[in-house]
Amino acid sequence: SQTIHQWPATLVQPVGSPLSLECTVEGTSNPNLYWYRQAAGRGLQLLFYSVGIGQISSEVPQNLSASRPQDRQFILSSKKLLLSDSGFYLCAWTNEKLFFGSGTQLSVL
Amino acid sequence: GENVEQHPSTLSVQEGDSAVIKCTYSDSASNYFPWYKQELGKRPQLIIDIRSNVGEKKDQRIAVTLNKTAKHFSLHITETQPEDSAVYFCAASFTGNQFYFGTGTSLTVIP
Repeated sequence: SQTIHQWPATLVQPVGSPLSLECTVEGTSNPNLYWYRQAAGRGLQLLFYSVGIGQISSEVPQNLSASRPQDRQFILSSKKLLLSDSGFYLCAWTNEKLFFGSGTQLSVL
Repeated sequence: GENVEQHPSTLSVQEGDSAVIKCTYSDSASNYFPWYKQELGKRPQLIIDIRSNVGEKKDQRIAVTLNKTAKHFSLHITETQPEDSAVYFCAASFTGNQFYFGTGTSLTVIP
């Protein structure tokens, strides 16, 4: 069966520090992969999605970037975090139905 | 692109009563409509979905209806229980690549 792993679960980072969140999917090949962000009490904002290795689409201009170095690996990065980058980050994958990872609660202080 | 609107933003019901959450979409090409339940601090979980060739789908106490002509779909929860309290999100998709989410409904079931 397919599973999605996302880590870390929580992260506290100072303003201006770099960020790297990683997500991997098991049990499937060539999945579509997504990064969503959720501000406290708010909805799901699509940040990036990828339909294949090296193929990244950005939905919203951000202080963030994404990369897909391997078929089942999706990485969210930032060179310098801002206070506004705080939120709940969710990786997701789809094989027609969309499934979410367990999320990373990021606090930028 | 697709635009999904969801109402109400908050909903309180007495335990045992029914709850209804409504969504509208703008792109008539959308053909897949999932609903997610998100508990505090947890990931959204798929609870039910419907495709455009079906008008209604039921799974125990939850059901989803779709009106393609009017471009709206609804989530119905019957005999609500306190554990149904959560935030519910609707979404619309075409091709299963892009998913467009509503803004969420915070449901509170009062014991």
